[in-house]
Amino acid sequence: EVQVLESGGDLVQPGGSLRLTCAGSGFIFNTYTMSWVRQAPGKGLEWISGISGSGESTYYADSVKGRFTISRDNSKNMLYLQMNSLRPEDTATYYCAFRPVRGALWGGYFNYWGQGTLITVSS
Amino acid sequence: DIVMTQSPVTLSVSPGESATLSCRASQNVGTNVAWYQQKPGQGPRLLIYGASTRATGIPARFSGSGSATEFTLTISSLQSEDFAVYYCQQYDNRPPPRFGQGTKVESK
Repeated sequence: EVQVLESGGDLVQPGGSLRLTCAGSGFIFNTYTMSWVRQAPGKGLEWISGISGSGESTYYADSVKGRFTISRDNSKNMLYLQMNSLRPEDTATYYCAFRPVRGALWGGYFNYWGQGTLITVSS
Repeated sequence: DIVMTQSPVTLSVSPGESATLSCRASQNVGTNVAWYQQKPGQGPRLLIYGASTRATGIPARFSGSGSATEFTLTISSLQSEDFAVYYCQQYDNRPPPRFGQGTKVESK
């Protein structure tokens, strides 16, 4: 069974840092582009970052560019999101998601999603 | 930037009735639109991609249509488990993908 499981959510002060983790199982992890999508409380979905299967290509939304860094460790089937200079508007549930399409740097839409991990940025 | 606008914000429907949700793109996106269902406390679930292709395991009562800038998700004969929030999403061969703001389907 394909699964992605996020962890690392916490309460953090403005200006602080946090690293999120997404563990993949049930699929060949290094084959597919992975993404992070967030959802502020009571709001809609916002894609924020993606990384190709090899890790060579990374993508960011303007809202997080320069503050967040996406990476992956294919030997551990793990996806990461390093979040620096956090702001109150970064408060959200963060989802790991992907489309299982081979040979593409970008999947487009998302067949599989995790349950999410909540980040609260507040003093 | 492409903007996806969904309507209505909330749709009140009785079980057994059909529901029609709309999504408008600010520019021509072809048929590169996906639809998702989200229930409280859960991650989204892919329903439709390519504007009209049902994802694996999605019941036939869910159907998508449209192209260019106008898209529709129709849920025929609503079941109790269908009450949720629905999002459309535009995608291309490179990011960023854009989501609509969502339509909540609630029981009348």
